[in-house]
Amino acid sequence: DQQVKQNSPSLSVQEGRISILNCDYTNSMFDYFLWYKKYPAEGPTFLISISSIKDKNEDGRFTVFLNKSAKHLSLHIVPSQPGDSAVYFCAASGLEGGSEKLVFGKGMKLTVNP
Amino acid sequence: NAGVTQTPKFRILKIGQSMTLQCTQDMNHNYMYWYRQDPGMGLKLIYYSVGAGITDKGEVPNGYNVSRSTTEDFPLRLELAAPSQTSVYFCASSPLQRGGNEQFFGPGTRLTVL
Repeated sequence: DQQVKQNSPSLSVQEGRISILNCDYTNSMFDYFLWYKKYPAEGPTFLISISSIKDKNEDGRFTVFLNKSAKHLSLHIVPSQPGDSAVYFCAASGLEGGSEKLVFGKGMKLTVNP
Repeated sequence: NAGVTQTPKFRILKIGQSMTLQCTQDMNHNYMYWYRQDPGMGLKLIYYSVGAGITDKGEVPNGYNVSRSTTEDFPLRLELAAPSQTSVYFCASSPLQRGGNEQFFGPGTRLTVL
């Protein structure tokens, strides 16, 4: 049973336009949400996070929005650049057995075309 | 800082063979993790450690063992390799355990069991 879902496996956008990556979760106990970016043959790298007590967090071109009632978050990239082409993972964290665990979605491949 | 390093980068094993995947971090992080990523899937937690001498199981621990004798090293042992263990393995570390803190990932080890 997937607790973190990224229902779209891929997204293609034009350079300069907005990229919107979506993520849904099922567990109300998650209290932090993170986005990771992964290039081929590399490990994931942290991009941005948001606490469950907030509804928006912004860092440069990247903004994450959280809708707790809908159990939905999204990552907006504006403007999109060809270097943003990568696989993006949504992850949620919460306490389990006294330790924090990260639960990852399956990832979404973003392609930004020049 | 080298960050999180993993060796080897690639390995092919025969069914029943054993091997150890090495992971070292030079950031003095207390928390370390092992994940596996199967094709088209998110990362799944195998084992984690909250400090030297302390380890615990994650979501998919069967067929693996870990040890944590120092802060820096967190090796993952496969005792009897099976085709189901064909995957990409990522080691990660983090300085804190709570607060949505980022985990720093190594470049991964691609393992094939034939």
